[in-house]
Amino acid sequence: KNEVEQSPQNLTAQEGEFITINCSYSVGISALHWLQQHPGGGIVSLFMLSSGKKKHGRLIATINIQEKHSSLHITASHPRDSAVYICAVRGGSQGNLIFGKGTKLSVKP
Amino acid sequence: DTGVSQDPRHKITKRGQNVTFRCDPISEHNRLYWYRQTLGQGPEFLTYFQNEAQLEKSRLLSDRFSAERPKGSFSTLEIQRTEQGDSAMYLCASSTGTRLPISYNEQFFGPGTRLTVL
Repeated sequence: KNEVEQSPQNLTAQEGEFITINCSYSVGISALHWLQQHPGGGIVSLFMLSSGKKKHGRLIATINIQEKHSSLHITASHPRDSAVYICAVRGGSQGNLIFGKGTKLSVKP
Repeated sequence: DTGVSQDPRHKITKRGQNVTFRCDPISEHNRLYWYRQTLGQGPEFLTYFQNEAQLEKSRLLSDRFSAERPKGSFSTLEIQRTEQGDSAMYLCASSTGTRLPISYNEQFFGPGTRLTVL
């Protein structure tokens, strides 16, 4: 079993829909990241959080440390949100990240 | 552009050849990470540097792989005698590791180097 599990693996939505991507992890962590990766490979950090909830524009990230679970929500989804969304946790003292396999999101107009 | 840069962006090589990639981190960042991502998978940790010291290496980093950060600024990742299984996206990231508690530092990623071994 992977240390970081994401669901769903693939997600297709219609423009305007509310989207939720889930991440569960099995290791102790100091922080959790949500990352966005577009075709071509570049990775952009969306959120880094260790507790509670963060909001940036139409994106919301929550984390429940006790349940070892985090969710990424996208409100009023748009085709430009189409990308792979990756959950990564920082577990070790050295700070390297442990990644999930990603969720491929496709938003149709 | 003051972000993380990587060179080259794409590299096609024949099996058995050596390749070298370069990463230039954000200038004030003293931590530098290398990750590898194969198709359809999330990135996997390879190694990381604190300034010029290589502090951790993953078991994924076989003897054919070597990474350096000679002056604590840019880093190179060399793969000797490449194999088809080395084909992947090689990602570099950097972070500060100083002002904040180390475990909370955000990593900024470069665009990656896509390696194809024929």
